[in-house]
Amino acid sequence: EIVLTQSPGTLSLSPGERATLSCRASQSVSSSQLVWYQQKPGQAPRLLIYGASSRATGIPDRFGASGSGTDFTLTISRLEPEDFAVYYCQQFTDSWTFGQGTKVEIK
Amino acid sequence: EAQLLESGGGLARPGGSLRLSCAAFGFTFSSHSMSWVRQTPEKGLEWVSAISNSGDKTYYADSVKGRFTISRDNSKNTLSLQMNSLRVEDTAVYYCAKEAFNPLRLDCWGQGTLVTVSS
Repeated sequence: EIVLTQSPGTLSLSPGERATLSCRASQSVSSSQLVWYQQKPGQAPRLLIYGASSRATGIPDRFGASGSGTDFTLTISRLEPEDFAVYYCQQFTDSWTFGQGTKVEIK
Repeated sequence: EAQLLESGGGLARPGGSLRLSCAAFGFTFSSHSMSWVRQTPEKGLEWVSAISNSGDKTYYADSVKGRFTISRDNSKNTLSLQMNSLRVEDTAVYYCAKEAFNPLRLDCWGQGTLVTVSS
């Protein structure tokens, strides 16, 4: 099973700042099989990024992602109030698994 | 717009059974594989089971294999999860999710239904 480790656990930032979230895999993951989700309290996860860097429908271009192999990054260029949430990575390469999440909170 | 609506959650005793359902709207249900994913505060998100669009292929996490059965009725646009021999550790919010391919992703999730297993 591929273990995904997200860091940091919590990111405290102000609106307008840049957020950089990391997702590290225990084994190599195909870039096309790495996705990112956003989850707000009381809501289901929402697809943000798939295929390592393609934005889902309706996702603003301040969200970007990159990476390959075992290291992947989600970047939010300028945080908006609605971006404060928990972010998860997921891989589909082997035994579909999720990271434990990074909480982006208002500083 | 694709929508998914789960039902069937509730309280069950250890060793008991529950059946979850997921109604699909706004997309061609029979064209998409579907998954169940569960979430707990302790363990986070965990993929549980998946089924092909026609229903002929099913997949399970090791933690539920032999106890849970996924199925679908394409004539009713409905996905189901029969959960038997429930354990305390099956307590979670269960989400159904629509799969999209090329590349693979879960692009639509239901609102979730809470399953509590307790004596």
